[in-house]
Amino acid sequence: DTGVSQDPRHKITKRGQNVTFRCDPISEHNRLYWYRQTLGQGPEFLTYFQNEAQLEKSRLLSDRFSAERPKGSFSTLEIQRTEQGDSAMYLCASSPGTGSVANYGYTFGSGTRLTVV
Amino acid sequence: DQQVKQNSPSLSVQEGRISILNCDYTNSMFDYFLWYKKYPAEGPTFLISISSIKDKNEDGRFTVFLNKSAKHLSLHIVPSQPGDSAVYFCAASDTGTASKLTFGTGTRLQVTL
Repeated sequence: DTGVSQDPRHKITKRGQNVTFRCDPISEHNRLYWYRQTLGQGPEFLTYFQNEAQLEKSRLLSDRFSAERPKGSFSTLEIQRTEQGDSAMYLCASSPGTGSVANYGYTFGSGTRLTVV
Repeated sequence: DQQVKQNSPSLSVQEGRISILNCDYTNSMFDYFLWYKKYPAEGPTFLISISSIKDKNEDGRFTVFLNKSAKHLSLHIVPSQPGDSAVYFCAASDTGTASKLTFGTGTRLQVTL
């Protein structure tokens, strides 16, 4: 088990381009989360999957953002028509499907740093 | 609306001494609180948590205290070690949205020799 894996680690894109990030959770974890962290801030919740079902979305997730988790395994986060304000660290995390998150927290990946120029 | 606040952006402590990191919250619906540690270029790592029905939880060198009436919690690290130098985030959740965590802005701890 190599933990939560995110790809790519860094992405530089021009404003207006589309980008897609991938997250591979810990294999036995049913829950998968996406968070965004900007400079000087803590991670902010974006969305959450239980298996393949997207159960919650933050209002931070505008229409330009879409996340999928086909077959309940890996997940992708796509940002269309990127803007400079999208520049941030995008963090993926996973957790087991049972029990309270408070007992074990999440396991985070190392993140994808997006820079929109 | 910052529901979880860490008012000290940084803290410097000498090796062997106690480090105390503080966190305040405003949402009375929060009933679980967690601390995460983050090194540069890595994702946050879960450290310790506490339920609102408790006022203290201890794990080795790390102890979290919760004062529910004051909506305040603190993380104590004793003794502090150079490897503890990192950014520490306080996070909270409520059973209504048990899978979503609300994070504070973090405190950068530097443990000096």
